[in-house]
Amino acid sequence: KAGVTQTPRYLIKTRGQQVTLSCSPISGHRSVSWYQQTPGQGLQFLFEYFSETQRNKGNFPGRFSGRQFSNSRSEMNVSTLELGDSALYLCASSSSPGQGSYEQYFGPGTRLTVT
Amino acid sequence: AQSVTQLGSHVSVSEGALVLLRCNYSSSVPPYLFWYVQYPNQGLQLLLKYTTGATLVKGINGFEAEFKKSETSFHLTKPSAHMSDAAEYFCAVSDHSGNTPLVFGKGTRLSVIA
Repeated sequence: KAGVTQTPRYLIKTRGQQVTLSCSPISGHRSVSWYQQTPGQGLQFLFEYFSETQRNKGNFPGRFSGRQFSNSRSEMNVSTLELGDSALYLCASSSSPGQGSYEQYFGPGTRLTVT
Repeated sequence: AQSVTQLGSHVSVSEGALVLLRCNYSSSVPPYLFWYVQYPNQGLQLLLKYTTGATLVKGINGFEAEFKKSETSFHLTKPSAHMSDAAEYFCAVSDHSGNTPLVFGKGTRLSVIA
């Protein structure tokens, strides 16, 4: 069974631009979560989607948004990029919602650099 | 609110020595506790988790962790370190509701010296 895939793996953008990251969960998984990982702040939760509905949202500004499609694939968008948005963005999928109850499988991440 | 503290951002051990990575949590309700490992340029992989029941939890790659409620700790151990164990390790906590996201510690980088 294929794992969680994230595209692109690496991305360089300029301040003020917007970016869209994609995540394809493990086949059959309907829950997708997104995290931001930085050296200073560590791993921070962005949002969780299940059956195309956002279940949870972390403490990030409205520039960060996401969505999930009927095939469970998910995208996250960051508008008006800032230098501080440079990070590794990780996607994780699980068979059901509730991050504590069900094992999450992580993708390799998308490394975003904002210049 | 839940929180996790990992003592030591970097731990260095000799090959064959005991690995001990410390994790203390704060939670007002019974927690779920997790250890994840991250190798360079990869995502996180679950090592083990504690939900309920036996407090000594065995995971993959010879790792285990013990839930100690009185000490609010969930330290990760491995009797004998291998070079391939060099990675970053994250402790995480959640509650039983399934409605709150995982809260991760800052991580501990493990180096293994030959």
